[in-house]
Amino acid sequence: DIQMTQSPSSLSASVGDRVTMTCRASQSISRYLNWYQQKPGKAPKLLIYAASSLQSGVPSRFSGSGSGTDFTLTISSLQPEDFAIYYCQQSYSTVLTFGGGTKVEIK
Amino acid sequence: QVTLKESGPALVKPTQTLTLTCTFSGFSLTTSGMRVTWIRQPPGKALEWLARIDWDDDKFYSTSLKTRLTISKDTSKNQVVLTMTNMDPVDTATYYCARTPTERGMDVWGQGTTVTVSS
Repeated sequence: DIQMTQSPSSLSASVGDRVTMTCRASQSISRYLNWYQQKPGKAPKLLIYAASSLQSGVPSRFSGSGSGTDFTLTISSLQPEDFAIYYCQQSYSTVLTFGGGTKVEIK
Repeated sequence: QVTLKESGPALVKPTQTLTLTCTFSGFSLTTSGMRVTWIRQPPGKALEWLARIDWDDDKFYSTSLKTRLTISKDTSKNQVVLTMTNMDPVDTATYYCARTPTERGMDVWGQGTTVTVSS
């Protein structure tokens, strides 16, 4: 199975900060990488698909980049509603896998 | 409007078989490229992909759980069913289903259903 490693596992940031988190695949997955946001007690929400395509309705402060094994999710200006856990997920293989998540906390 | 809703028992005993149903609306699993995925999340832990069924009835399973899982669909009822055999307390989790159009990620999720495995 393809292993997905997210870093950092948690970060503290302030409203208005630019936040970047990374996801690394154990082998090349081209651009078959999706990002999700999960708030406590809620189902995950798709933010980015195919590494950099913004899901409909998602604010433009979210962006994704990367290809191959290294990917990045960036929040250009952190908003109060962005404090959550973010997961990456590869869809290159028919056996899908998620990363362990990055928790974004209030500084 | 696309919706999915998971249903099943809240409590199962160890060694029992769990049957979960995902009932959806707003899309069809007969449409080319459409898929439904099951995911679970143990309390306080990360998401874990379980299984996927495609419009053409292709089925894919988690490597670690494939001997215990069966996924099926009933397109006339707009339902996808997941069964998991030999349940164990470590299978305690919230189970989600999600619409998964080809190359578009899991774009709509159900609210999840919590399953506790305990005697």
